[in-house]
Amino acid sequence: GQNIDQPTEMTATEGAIVQINCTYQTSGFNGLFWYQQHAGEAPTFLSYNVLDGLEEKGRFSSFLSRSKGYSYLLLKELQMKDSASYLCAVLDSNYQLIWGAGTKLIIKP
Amino acid sequence: DGGITQSPKYLFRKEGQNVTLSCEQNLNHDAMYWYRQDPGQGLRLIYYSQIVNDFQKGDIAEGYSVSREKKESFPLTVTSAQKNPTAFYLCASSIGAGDINEQFFGPGTRLTVL
Repeated sequence: GQNIDQPTEMTATEGAIVQINCTYQTSGFNGLFWYQQHAGEAPTFLSYNVLDGLEEKGRFSSFLSRSKGYSYLLLKELQMKDSASYLCAVLDSNYQLIWGAGTKLIIKP
Repeated sequence: DGGITQSPKYLFRKEGQNVTLSCEQNLNHDAMYWYRQDPGQGLRLIYYSQIVNDFQKGDIAEGYSVSREKKESFPLTVTSAQKNPTAFYLCASSIGAGDINEQFFGPGTRLTVL
């Protein structure tokens, strides 16, 4: 079966750095997405990785290792508004998105 | 502004009643999707449509129906056959299905069946 694993919840301090991990086992791979979702709202796109390595976009970076079936989202200089759930999703061989359950990130002052 | 709208944001229905959730987009996207989100679970695909007058079942299509008569609109009907319909429903669209384009989401409809 297809499976995506993320930690259920993480806590970090304002101004700090946090790394949210995602491991996946899917039938084929056509890229990995990270989305941010504030409570009760729609997910919004953060990043897309299809090649190994690190993609940096402002305070957010995303890393992919296809051989290890592993990705992480790195958030720097955390702000209170970063409190949200972060969803990892993999595009499988049929170009269907397989979603993880999401990681709820709590930022404390 | 371009985007996706879903209405209503909150919906209450009695058990045994069918209910239709609206989804409209003005992004000129070909592909549209319906997801269900339950606490502690990832998004699960109900139905998707790659083009007008065509749609495909997702992983959890039982108890749901859709139509795609216009490019802009992809309504979802939750029928009385759906055993556990209370959930957060998200509609999304992308330029085209079967490619790497990101999906854009509507604000969601929270359905509660009493």
